[in-house]
Amino acid sequence: QKEVEQDPGPLSVPEGAIVSLNCTYSNSAFQYFMWYRQYSRKGPELLMYTYSSGNKEDGRFTAQVDKSSKYISLFIRDSQPSDSATYLCAMNAGGTSYGKLTFGQGTILTVHP
Amino acid sequence: EADIYQTPRYLVIGTGKKITLECSQTMGHDKMYWYQQDPGMELHLIHYSYGVNSTEKGDLSSESTVSRIRTEHFPLTLESARPSHTSQYLCASRGWRAGYTEAFFGQGTRLTVV
Repeated sequence: QKEVEQDPGPLSVPEGAIVSLNCTYSNSAFQYFMWYRQYSRKGPELLMYTYSSGNKEDGRFTAQVDKSSKYISLFIRDSQPSDSATYLCAMNAGGTSYGKLTFGQGTILTVHP
Repeated sequence: EADIYQTPRYLVIGTGKKITLECSQTMGHDKMYWYQQDPGMELHLIHYSYGVNSTEKGDLSSESTVSRIRTEHFPLTLESARPSHTSQYLCASRGWRAGYTEAFFGQGTRLTVV
């Protein structure tokens, strides 16, 4: 069983839609939760960072963490064609983990005009 | 944009060749990582380093090796490339930013072994 499962699969939405991306995880040691955005032929870039449970909002993006359910989400409001990319959730246990990240398999998002 | 660079961006090479993928960062970060990424799959950690002269294998078994002689440089070497090594290789370094640590990624090297 993978430590981190990400869904949904490839997603195609019209411009202006609300997008919901989700990850579940099995390792209760994870404390730091991130969402990375990866454009085609580029490396991932950090989009949102959350420590422990709670919500964090940054513009059109909201990240939610529910540690009791081992579930994290990313919401994108008023989606734009420029949001078309692969979104990766990532997690880290902190402490002596040396900053190693465990990633989900990514969701390819296409926002069409 | 992050100050971490990978060369080459694309490489097509024959089976049995020795190759070195270069990764350099100018941010002075101690922690550096190599991840392998296949289409539709998660990034898998293959090597990491937490400082000069320290290297460790990651969670995914890999036939590659790494070295860390200088803080800014973390090359990955395949002694004898095989078609199974065809993948995208991403280098990252980790450092403090606005109260938390962030991993900065290079643009990746897409390796094809024929």
